[in-house]
Amino acid sequence: EPEVTQTPSHQVTQMGQEVILRCVPISNHLYFYWYRQILGQKVEFLVSFYNNEISEKSEIFDDQFSVERPDGSNFTLKIRSTKLEDSAMYFCASSEDRKGYGYTFGSGTRLTVV
Amino acid sequence: GDSVTQMEGPVTLSEEAFLTINCTYTATGYPSLFWYVQYPGEGLQLLLKATKADDKGSNKGFEATYRKETTSFHLEKGSVQVSDSAVYFCALPGGANNLFFGTGTRLTVIP
Repeated sequence: EPEVTQTPSHQVTQMGQEVILRCVPISNHLYFYWYRQILGQKVEFLVSFYNNEISEKSEIFDDQFSVERPDGSNFTLKIRSTKLEDSAMYFCASSEDRKGYGYTFGSGTRLTVV
Repeated sequence: GDSVTQMEGPVTLSEEAFLTINCTYTATGYPSLFWYVQYPGEGLQLLLKATKADDKGSNKGFEATYRKETTSFHLEKGSVQVSDSAVYFCALPGGANNLFFGTGTRLTVIP
């Protein structure tokens, strides 16, 4: 069964450093997403991406965050200057269509900012 | 705005017990409703979904019925197993093309 692949599975970084989280969505999917889950809290939407541009973003997704699809297969989330409160599990997802049908999530990247 | 309210956990059950995890929603119209499951160390997986009122989603022995009268989508399983231990999330579409998740309910099944 096709799957969304995320790397690395765990990343530790120092506060103020830049991090790039990587995702390979399912090849025929058109919509791409990042969500995050701070430990013990709900899964929160960050951003959606379609047709090489951001289609929607939440209040969490401020200027410190950016997304890119650099080569037609990878989908990346960059955090420019990490803060302690950025520590969370970050999930990438892709879907064939909108409105939640056919979402497939990756297994996540646990980001720890120290 | 649209949202889901999910039963707080954690829930601890003995093997073969009956499970209910409550979820109610607030929405304009009748959105699709979803249950996602997160097994330890893994990502979110779609467990089941219902796309319209009175639909029943089912998978792996779990069921949930979309009830518009009570705006509910409660998750049920007649006989849980240790392998069902996980966090369960109720969700509905939000915004243009994202999902709103509930807070999640951790289920632990003991032998």
